[in-house]
Amino acid sequence: GAVVSQHPSRVICKSGTSVKIECRSLDFQATTMFWYRQFPKQSLMLMATSNEGSKATYEQGVEKDKFLINHASLTLSTLTVTSAHPEDSSFYICSASLASQIHEQYFGPGTRLTVT
Amino acid sequence: QKEVEQNSGPLSVPEGAIASLNCTYSDRGSQSFFWYRQYSGKSPELIMSIYSNGDKEDGRFTAQLNKASQYVSLLIRDSQPSDSATYLCAVKGGDSWGKLQFGAGTQVVVTP
Repeated sequence: GAVVSQHPSRVICKSGTSVKIECRSLDFQATTMFWYRQFPKQSLMLMATSNEGSKATYEQGVEKDKFLINHASLTLSTLTVTSAHPEDSSFYICSASLASQIHEQYFGPGTRLTVT
Repeated sequence: QKEVEQNSGPLSVPEGAIASLNCTYSDRGSQSFFWYRQYSGKSPELIMSIYSNGDKEDGRFTAQLNKASQYVSLLIRDSQPSDSATYLCAVKGGDSWGKLQFGAGTQVVVTP
């Protein structure tokens, strides 16, 4: 099956610092990757859609200058949370699609971010 | 009105019984429908996808789609304690390339 990895799985950082999360498709090329955030007891919230070689498309209400997304290759997308604050503490999950117009998304294991 | 609606549960199911989960969606142009399973503290795992009206079976899971009624369901036969999780219904809208709309999820608890 399609395998997606994320690194790190957990990260604790101090308020005001930046954190980078990597999302990799291990056995397929992902034209499109998606970044989600999930707060406790809530469903997934799409933050942005990332297409290889182009700028990410952010959902309404998501600050693109705070959540920097780079999709430099067909197997790697990164999310950088800049100037993190405690309210950014959440479970960040990426997903990837096998190719454009293919509907199935495969999720990475997630990254739990805690900002102190 | 939410675009994808599910009963939040918890849905309590005796071991060995059938768990029945329901999902309705508002975008009549939706083409693709998915069920994900999410264990507590983990990311979602794709368990079923369905694209045309009718039933689709995979092992103990059966997905049912009725586009006219804008309704998709998931049946879990011979429920096991390991099936205890939150099940997320996801719908790809007709005008949103690649994006999925998720329901809030139904928590299933299988009791021995």
